[in-house]
Amino acid sequence: DQQVKQNSPSLSVQEGRISILNCDYTNSMFDYFLWYKKYPAEGPTFLISISSIKDKNEDGRFTVFLNKSAKHLSLHIVPSQPGDSAVYFCAASEYGNKLVFGAGTILRVKS
Amino acid sequence: NAGVTQTPKFRVLKTGQSMTLLCAQDMNHEYMYWYRQDPGMGLRLIHYSVGEGTTAKGEVPDGYNVSRLKKQNFLLGLESAAPSQTSVYFCASRYSGRTNEQYFGPGTRLTVT
Repeated sequence: DQQVKQNSPSLSVQEGRISILNCDYTNSMFDYFLWYKKYPAEGPTFLISISSIKDKNEDGRFTVFLNKSAKHLSLHIVPSQPGDSAVYFCAASEYGNKLVFGAGTILRVKS
Repeated sequence: NAGVTQTPKFRVLKTGQSMTLLCAQDMNHEYMYWYRQDPGMGLRLIHYSVGEGTTAKGEVPDGYNVSRLKKQNFLLGLESAAPSQTSVYFCASRYSGRTNEQYFGPGTRLTVT
């Protein structure tokens, strides 16, 4: 039973445009959500997070939106740059317990 | 400040052999984790530790053992390797608290033939 789902295995976007990565979850007890970015042959690195008491968090070109009623979150990257090409993992946790990860979405930004 | 380091980076084992993966962190983090990453499956938690001398099972613990004798080190052992354990293994650590932002090592690519 996948509690965190990233239904798009890959996404291709033109440089300068917006990238939107989506994530759905099933556990209504999740209270903290994170996005990680992973380059080949490296470990995942933390990108941005959001608490369940908020519906939006912004950090530079990256914004995460949370829709609790739909159990859906999304990561927006504006503008997209070639260096953003990587695998993006959505993750969720319940009261500081273990992180549950989605399967990841491969983002390719074309120049 | 090296962050989280993992040893070795690559390893090839034959079925039935044993090995230990070492994770070290220099950030004085209380919590440490071992994950495996397989194609199309994201990261799955094998074992974790909430402090020196403590360990607990994660989602996929079978075939693995762990030890946390020192706060900065977390060891993952495979007693009798199987081809199904071919994977990329990541270690992570974090401070205690609810935000759960974990810092990952560079990974160990293990192949079991």
